[in-house]
Amino acid sequence: TQLLEQSPQFLSIQEGENLTVYCNSSSVFSSLQWYRQEPGEGPVLLVTVVTGGEVKKLKRLTFQFGDARKDSSLHITAAQPGDTGLYLCAALEDSGYALNFGKGTSLLVTP
Amino acid sequence: GAGVSQSPRYKVTKRGQDVALRCDPISGHVSLYWYRQALGQGPEFLTYFNYEAQQDKSGLPNDRFSAERPEGSISTLTIQRTEQRDSAMYRCASSLFLGGSGELFFGEGSRLTVL
Repeated sequence: TQLLEQSPQFLSIQEGENLTVYCNSSSVFSSLQWYRQEPGEGPVLLVTVVTGGEVKKLKRLTFQFGDARKDSSLHITAAQPGDTGLYLCAALEDSGYALNFGKGTSLLVTP
Repeated sequence: GAGVSQSPRYKVTKRGQDVALRCDPISGHVSLYWYRQALGQGPEFLTYFNYEAQQDKSGLPNDRFSAERPEGSISTLTIQRTEQRDSAMYRCASSLFLGGSGELFFGEGSRLTVL
């Protein structure tokens, strides 16, 4: 089973600050997805990265896939309270079926 | 329906009872997943269906857990002889694509409490 390690586990910042969260593994990913989960809701897909070194931007969110496809990062610029939630990375298991999730980074942005 | 529908939303049962959790995926979605999620943690993979075929059940904790999707649409996760450690949020997700390469759409979950 491919283990996805996310850091930090918890992050509490003030509105307007920048932050980066990480997703790492010892295995090579064929692709990696980032999801955001708000309290009481199911996870919702933010982005999928496929190519090593790939950078994708989604408004104030920047996603980067490591060159070796073993790690990924999510950078948020000028965080807003609406960014509060659990950020999850997910990658396909070697079997090709199971999509495994990391434990997530719980982000709290206060006004 | 427009989204993934799960029922019941909340289930409280006594230890030793059997429970069945239902998932109605988005129409036309071929892949269906079951996950278990602890509060504040990422979803833990339980099992995966490709149409009606259960392709991977490696995440099922033990033989008290089973799942089926007989007609390739609605799925049922059954837990027999429930134990307190089974208490959790059980989430279903579906995808238009085979395998785990496509976007997963999650239901609102079924929260199981075993007394």
